[in-house]
Amino acid sequence: AQSVTQPDIHITVSEGASLELRCNYSYGATPYLFWYVQSPGQGLQLLLKYFSGDTLVQGIKGFEAEFKRSQSSFNLRKPSVHWSDAAEYFCAVGRYKLSFGAGTTVTVRA
Amino acid sequence: GAGVSQSPRYKVAKRGQDVALRCDPISGHVSLFWYQQALGQGPEFLTYFQNEAQLDKSGLPSDRFFAERPEGSVSTLKIQRTQQEDSAVYLCASSLAGGDTQYFGPGTRLTVL
Repeated sequence: AQSVTQPDIHITVSEGASLELRCNYSYGATPYLFWYVQSPGQGLQLLLKYFSGDTLVQGIKGFEAEFKRSQSSFNLRKPSVHWSDAAEYFCAVGRYKLSFGAGTTVTVRA
Repeated sequence: GAGVSQSPRYKVAKRGQDVALRCDPISGHVSLFWYQQALGQGPEFLTYFQNEAQLDKSGLPSDRFFAERPEGSVSTLKIQRTQQEDSAVYLCASSLAGGDTQYFGPGTRLTVL
């Protein structure tokens, strides 16, 4: 069975500081991995995805993620956070049927 | 350059009423998905269409939930005899093909009183 664990429910970070969100997955084959962001009252916006190839993936808004098969992880990073990055972040795994984690809420303080 | 659209955006129903939620996918997208997102949770898969064929409905929580996509474009998720536990945001997504990136609509927030 496929599943995703996001260990951090809530993270608070200062504007300009770095951010790392953790994601661990369980999947029987080579995983398709995704990070989505959701602002209040909005749908999910794709930040980046990993299907195969280079394990360091670049996304929109300055985000990147690294696929580590040995650790079953796909952590999301951003070097310098902006106030507009405050949102909920979801990691997902799957081919057509996506399984999502419970999400990590990011708060940005001035 | 329209994305996935959903209507209505908000729906309030009395317990026992039937509701219908609509999804317009991105033009040309073959695959369409429905997810249910309870408050404070991640989305959970409900069902998947490829064109008009419903290939997977394993996530539908009960036989009160029914989805269709008769012409391979617009889809409707119907919930009969709504219950309070059906209160959630219902998200629709579409993709070019089954294993491609899914693009999500804004969702319909259903509140059952």
